[in-house]
Amino acid sequence: GAGVSQSPSNKVTEKGKDVELRCDPISGHTALYWYRQSLGQGLEFLIYFQGNSAPDKSGLPSDRFSAERTGGSVSTLTIQRTQQEDSAVYLCASSLSGTTYGYTFGSGTRLTVV
Amino acid sequence: RKEVEQDPGPFNVPEGATVAFNCTYSNSASQSFFWYRQDCRKEPKLLMSVYSSGNEDGRFTAQLNRASQYISLLIRDSKLSDSATYLCVVRHGSSNTGKLIFGQGTTLQVKP
Repeated sequence: GAGVSQSPSNKVTEKGKDVELRCDPISGHTALYWYRQSLGQGLEFLIYFQGNSAPDKSGLPSDRFSAERTGGSVSTLTIQRTQQEDSAVYLCASSLSGTTYGYTFGSGTRLTVV
Repeated sequence: RKEVEQDPGPFNVPEGATVAFNCTYSNSASQSFFWYRQDCRKEPKLLMSVYSSGNEDGRFTAQLNRASQYISLLIRDSKLSDSATYLCVVRHGSSNTGKLIFGQGTTLQVKP
């Protein structure tokens, strides 16, 4: 597609439920990243996929968070047993490899845990 | 200490003013540097990459000082539409890939 697509754009869930967030990167982009941004805060790195390499999961805040990338394209971020502190905007980005390239972000999923 | 530090501001300037933002980073292995712009409730968008020799894009000039681990962004002739949060971003390591580390952002408000 023309840009990075994320769905849903908004998600309200009850505490304790599981949620899945989807990211469809730009076609041909080999790298895919998940970040989250809490209200008034900066971007917090979560996980990064690059081609067929093992993902860099160093930013995942707990074992309730996991992500997959199937076929080197679409990615799903799963949060199990959601907590109120998980409320944030979850941003996905993709990029071509290369030191001079930045990312292109999707418009994010705004997750609210009530 | 945060890996990428910025003055959060806000910077309130009149239209036409010149304003400069600074950023410091702590990881000397950082190899790539960027400025992103984020409008309220929107996703960040790449404003410009920052090259070692410094680079300019219209009214925007970015500079890098590796010795001091310092990055700057200068905006000349500020417009109302420049009002946004400006994020300083670094990429780790010598690999061509790798995660970007974002600063907290500096908020600019340009007044008429």
